[in-house]
Amino acid sequence: QKEVEQDPGPLSVPEGAIVSLNCTYSNSAFQYFMWYRQYSRKGPELLMYTYSSGNKEDGRFTAQVDKSSKYISLFIRDSQPSDSATYLCANVDNYGQNFVFGPGTRLSVLP
Amino acid sequence: DSGVTQTPKHLITATGQRVTLRCSPRSGDLSVYWYQQSLDQGLQFLIHYYNGEERAKGNILERFSAQQFPDLHSELNLSSLELGDSALYFCASSGGGRDTGELFFGEGSRLTVL
Repeated sequence: QKEVEQDPGPLSVPEGAIVSLNCTYSNSAFQYFMWYRQYSRKGPELLMYTYSSGNKEDGRFTAQVDKSSKYISLFIRDSQPSDSATYLCANVDNYGQNFVFGPGTRLSVLP
Repeated sequence: DSGVTQTPKHLITATGQRVTLRCSPRSGDLSVYWYQQSLDQGLQFLIHYYNGEERAKGNILERFSAQQFPDLHSELNLSSLELGDSALYFCASSGGGRDTGELFFGEGSRLTVL
């Protein structure tokens, strides 16, 4: 079992849809959870960062963490074509040094 | 702009050659990570340095080596290059435990081996 797993997609949705991206992890040592957005052939960009279980909202984006089930979600409201990218789930342990990335989910938002 | 600078942005070379990729971390960040991303593949962790010392190694080939200098910039050396080494190489930096461990990426160095 990989430490961090994501459905690779591709996921195609119409513009304006609510997108749900999911990620599971296996290592209980992970304490910090991040979502990165990576446009084609660009560096991953930190999108959302959270520590505790629960929800964190930033504009159209909401990150949800459930540590009891080791499940992480990213919701995108009112999706736009500019949201088309690969979304990487990443976890890090309490020492802030052991980063583990999921394989990413490719999202296409169709106009 | 993440604050992480990588050079060169693009590099084309031949098999058997050696190249050096350079990374300047964000100001104040002590940790530097190197990742390899082949076409349509995920990020493969190569190596992690913290304040000049190697902290962790991932799937890094013996033909590859890295170091972090006293000014905290880092270099990734790739030698005896093969076609399969063609990829995007990303550098990322973080506070290394000083803060909450957010990782910031550079724009990458695109290596093409012909």
